[in-house]
Amino acid sequence: DAKTTQPNSMESNEEEPVHLPCNHSTISGTDYIHWYRQLPSQGPEYVIHGLTSNVNNRMASLAIAEDRKSSTLILHRATLRDAAVYYCILSLLQGAQKLVFGQGTRLTINP
Amino acid sequence: EAGVVQSPRYKIIEKKQPVAFWCNPISGHNTLYWYRQNLGQGPELLIRYENEEAVDDSQLPKDRFSAERLKGVDSTLKIQPAELGDSAVYLCASSHTAVPGTQYFGPGTRLLVL
Repeated sequence: DAKTTQPNSMESNEEEPVHLPCNHSTISGTDYIHWYRQLPSQGPEYVIHGLTSNVNNRMASLAIAEDRKSSTLILHRATLRDAAVYYCILSLLQGAQKLVFGQGTRLTINP
Repeated sequence: EAGVVQSPRYKIIEKKQPVAFWCNPISGHNTLYWYRQNLGQGPELLIRYENEEAVDDSQLPKDRFSAERLKGVDSTLKIQPAELGDSAVYLCASSHTAVPGTQYFGPGTRLLVL
């Protein structure tokens, strides 16, 4: 499985945008980039996924570098409820549906 | 739509005792996963079911762990006997073939082995 590298922790202020980086230099052409987050005492929650093009949904945006070796999860206006551990995961979308979680980035939001 | 249901939410047992966790996936989801999450770590896959068939159990410690998914709906994960190192959160997730890559997780069962 291709590896991802994320900062251990990040901090931001409420109502400001947050950019969470992820490096995946060994990504293959068939790997999708998934983001999940885990709020305290809850199971992980799907956030967004993409292959090559940038993606937007109601929760966040995903910006994927042209060479696909890195990506950024963007929370446009952080709230206190966005404080969580964010996981960047590479996975074949078809077939195995296997998610290999790393340690993720712990995001702290200051009021 | 109801989410993934797990029970119990918390369990404290003494080492060498058996323990079982139950999971009810989202209705219509044919794929079910069991993960284990140690403190400060990301979840690790233990076993994946496609309907009632275990298609990936390579990470399941088969000497003490067992799982079943009768009728391809509910699932049970069992540990017998439990060891101190089994203390962790056990997460169940489900997904639908039509939306691959999106897994829905339950709240987990927090196990403490004394």
